[in-house]
Amino acid sequence: EVQLLESGGGLVQPGGSLRLSCAASGFTFSNYAMSWVRQAPGKGLEWVSGISGSGGNIQYAGSVKGRFTISRDNSKNTLFLQMSSLRVGDTAVYYCAKDLRFSSGYGFDYWGQGDLVTVSS
Amino acid sequence: QSALTQPPSASGSPGQSVTISCTGLISDVGAYNYVSWYQQHPGKAPKLMIYEISKRPSGVPHRFSGSKSGNTASLTVSGLQAEDEADYYCSSDTGSNNPYVFGTGTKVTVL
Repeated sequence: EVQLLESGGGLVQPGGSLRLSCAASGFTFSNYAMSWVRQAPGKGLEWVSGISGSGGNIQYAGSVKGRFTISRDNSKNTLFLQMSSLRVGDTAVYYCAKDLRFSSGYGFDYWGQGDLVTVSS
Repeated sequence: QSALTQPPSASGSPGQSVTISCTGLISDVGAYNYVSWYQQHPGKAPKLMIYEISKRPSGVPHRFSGSKSGNTASLTVSGLQAEDEADYYCSSDTGSNNPYVFGTGTKVTVL
């Protein structure tokens, strides 16, 4: 059974940093691209960042480029999102999502339960 | 990359059908066959219902179907059931440095 478990969320002040983790199990982690998708309170889904199965191809949404860093540790089946220079507008539930293929763009067949990040003073 | 356009709401009585549209550009929905649909119940994570325009993952009922014409994709739910009441989002590959764009979301109400 595929499981994705996010952790690391919480309350942080504007300008602060936070690191999200997503522990994956139930599939061969290195064979699939992974992404972070967020959802602000009462709003729709927004793709944030994606990384290929090998980690060699990384992409970011314009709204987070230069502030967020995605990475993965295939030996530990874990996906990360390092978030810095956080803004109030980054407040959202952050989902870890498994891509259908090795590279991004084909859709997400499994999602984590989500982790709330609140940026507020 | 602008969000794909979906109607804010749709509704139908149990047993009826409802169709949700998802309109993009020639550079995303119009260019690729990688359109997906997700169902999201309140407080829950999204669930994949359709991928590659019309394919259903294992376990998704046959009453969910997808199609595409030009720059617009559609999700049809036939034989509506109470548990189909949820938010639905489409997404498409964009072939750019931002591989995913999502739709604005549609709230489906079962009357």
